[in-house]
Parts: sequence; C-alpha cells; structure tokens
Amino acid sequence: DAGVIQSPRHEVTEMGQEVTLRCKPISGHNSLFWYRQTMMRGLELLIYFNNNVPIDDSGMPEDRFSAKMPNASFSTLKIQPSEPRDSAVYFCATDTSGNTIYFGEGSWLTVV
Amino acid sequence: GENVEQHPSTLSVQEGDSAVIKCTYSDSASNYFPWYKQELGKRPQLIIDIRSNVGEKKDQRIAVTLNKTAKHFSLHITETQPEDSAVYFCAARTNDYKLSFGAGTTVTVRA
Repeated sequence: DAGVIQSPRHEVTEMGQEVTLRCKPISGHNSLFWYRQTMMRGLELLIYFNNNVPIDDSGMPEDRFSAKMPNASFSTLKIQPSEPRDSAVYFCATDTSGNTIYFGEGSWLTVV
Repeated sequence: GENVEQHPSTLSVQEGDSAVIKCTYSDSASNYFPWYKQELGKRPQLIIDIRSNVGEKKDQRIAVTLNKTAKHFSLHITETQPEDSAVYFCAARTNDYKLSFGAGTTVTVRA
C-alpha cells in the first residue's frame, strides 16, 4: 500500500488566494483526519470524517476553512481566502476505527 | 476533553545512554496510547503503542510503560543512537475517535 497520499507537498501562495489541499486515504481505512502543525500550537485536529461523513469539525479555525470527503478515497481541505497565519504543515491521517493512525507526508503551506 | 502533558520539552543525551519521556493524561476513559517520532521535515510515524489492558510493552530498544491509576505513561529508549534524534510525541485516545497529542519532546543524541 502506498500509504496516505497528500498533494501538493509544498505550496506558496499570496494572501487572499484560495488553497486546496488533497488527500487519498489508505484503502480500507474508514476514518480520516486533517491535522495542522505549527511550532506555536503543535498538532491540532481540524476535522474528522468517519465513513465519508464529517463527525467533528470543531477544530476548524473559522469559516475560511472547509473540508469535504465526497467518497472513500478522496478528501479536500480548502482555505478561502488564505491569510499568512494559515502558514503551517497540514497533515491528513487515516485509520480503521480506533486503530493506528497513519499520517501522510504533509502539505507545507506558506501564505505570503 | 482529553489533555495530554509531555515532559521534558527538550532532552539531550550522550550516545549510548537512555532517554525517558513522560506524559500524563486527564481522561480516565483513555485506552490507547501511541508514541510518534517525527524527524525534521517528515511526517509523524508510529514507533510503539500500548493499550490500557497492558502495563508495559517493549520493541527492541524502545519500551513504553503505562500506569492507569496515576494516568501517566512513559517512553524509554535505551542505548541511544544519533538516528534517535527527533521530536517525539505521546498521544492518548478514548473510545471515540479523537487522538490528543502532547506538545512534543525534542531529543538530541550527542555523538
């Protein structure tokens, strides 16, 4: 298995632009998580999907952030409009309901 | 919700010595405790985990202990090597989905 696949790996964008991050979970994993990592705040859970349904989005910072999971093999995290404080590493992670969570390689976002 | 505290935040050890990282958790319902290693510029990777029905688990040079009564768990790395240098995160999970992470420990192994 190729593991959790994220794209893009690196993105530099200007403030105000829309950013879309993508994730392909491990086949058969029915839980998907989006995490954000910064030096100041560590690893923060943004949103959790189970069987493609958003269960908890209480970690989503504000309305500028949205996430979707249209099917079992694809999820997106969108930021519109982006701001410099959104600069971080965004990790997608998946597991099979209570078992080991596996992280993708991350998307390194810089908003200038 | 669950609150996980991790100490120390930084740890420097001489190659060959042992390293110990300690974490405490607040939710007595937590039943799964993984440890992740994150190298610079890489993703967190699971190195060992323990469930609440076990008090200790060992995998080569790495061991984890769990004290449910005191609500703390620890990572022990013996015979440290330069490649053990990384940031280590503890985490705790209850019966629901949420995995709460500690703030991380930066381990430096001096050659």
